[in-house]
Amino acid sequence: GAGVSQSPSNKVTEKGKDVELRCDPISGHTALYWYRQSLGQGLEFLIYFQGNSAPDKSGLPSDRFSAERTGGSVSTLTIQRTQQEDSAVYLCASSLGGQSGTEAFFGQGTRLTVV
Amino acid sequence: AQRVTQPEKLLSVFKGAPVELKCNYSYSGSPELFWYVQYSRQRLQLLLRHISRESIKGFTADLNKGETSFHLKKPFAQEEDSAMYYCALSPTGFQKLVFGTGTRLLVSP
Repeated sequence: GAGVSQSPSNKVTEKGKDVELRCDPISGHTALYWYRQSLGQGLEFLIYFQGNSAPDKSGLPSDRFSAERTGGSVSTLTIQRTQQEDSAVYLCASSLGGQSGTEAFFGQGTRLTVV
Repeated sequence: AQRVTQPEKLLSVFKGAPVELKCNYSYSGSPELFWYVQYSRQRLQLLLRHISRESIKGFTADLNKGETSFHLKKPFAQEEDSAMYYCALSPTGFQKLVFGTGTRLLVSP
């Protein structure tokens, strides 16, 4: 595709429910990142993928958060037993990675609201 | 430790005034430095990167390794420059991007 695509654009869920957020990176990009942007806050790093492996998961806030990437392409961020503090815009980005360059291209984000 | 510091949460200027958004970083190696911008209701996008040494939309940024700074400058601000600006670094090789907390620039007429 032309850019990083995220779905859904908006998600409203009830507290305690599980949600899955999807990211389709730019074709050929080996690096994929998830960030969270809470109201009034900056970009909070969640997890970084290089291919299908995640060498850095240090930003995942709790064990309710998990992410996977398959085929070196699509990634899914799963939040279990959602809490109101999980409400935020979740951003995905991808880049070529390595010596080819690390410019990251961002998706439009998924706005998650937990009610 | 890898860290990017943007000391100003909000910078408010009048149209035509010079602008400088500050960014300082902490990293022991030689990272790549970037400025990203997010206009209202738009996705985060790259404004410029230090290795290209380009001027985008009149903005420039010079990497000062001695002061570990990468300040963003524009001589004459325009109303359409109003946005959220993030400074970021990328360590050498395959590693995550580290962002600052961002500075909101408001340009008033």
